[in-house]
Amino acid sequence: AQTVTQSQPEMSVQEAETVTLSCTYDTSESDYYLFWYKQPPSRQMILVIRQEAYKQQNATENRFSVNFQKAAKSFSLKISDSQLGDAAMYFCAYRNRDDKIIFGKGTRLHILP
Amino acid sequence: GAVVSQHPSRVICKSGTSVKIECRSLDFQATTMFWYRQFPKQSLMLMATSNEGSKATYEQGVEKDKFLINHASLTLSTLTVTSAHPEDSSFYICSARDPTDGGGSPLHFGNGTRLTVT
Repeated sequence: AQTVTQSQPEMSVQEAETVTLSCTYDTSESDYYLFWYKQPPSRQMILVIRQEAYKQQNATENRFSVNFQKAAKSFSLKISDSQLGDAAMYFCAYRNRDDKIIFGKGTRLHILP
Repeated sequence: GAVVSQHPSRVICKSGTSVKIECRSLDFQATTMFWYRQFPKQSLMLMATSNEGSKATYEQGVEKDKFLINHASLTLSTLTVTSAHPEDSSFYICSARDPTDGGGSPLHFGNGTRLTVT
């Protein structure tokens, strides 16, 4: 079975600075998808970024980018120019061939003004 | 973009009663929907996969007689918590993927339902 590990329960970053959230996963599949979701206090799940495992190029969405290391099974999220609105719970997620999504335990990100 | 609507957003019920939660895909058809449960300050745990026109697939440890899932149409799945008890109090979230959005399409989530059983 696949597992997703987020080793940082909480992180803080100064506004306008850069922060990296780590995520590792375990799988025997070769084709899969990875996602980062954001959950603000409203508890709405918001997609931040996605990565297809067959693509070597790291995905980028504005201030958000990933460092995808397939051999190491690592999928970290970098947030540049952090903003107060980025404060939320961030979940790393793995989607397997059965379409199920497995979430990590999450990292709570605090933005310091 | 794809939208998933979940209703109600909040419900309080008495112990022993049943509660139904609806999940609708508003602008796409979903043959599969997923139901998650989230305890405070914890991650989302997959409860079951709802399959249109057939039985739901439950994850290990989830009581299928307590959490009844019906997926009667391509846009509607319901989760009924039967004979609810205080330990069933939680945040329930449904999700679905738009199959026309390509292989890498993400799950779209409803806004969740906060269930409180008194």
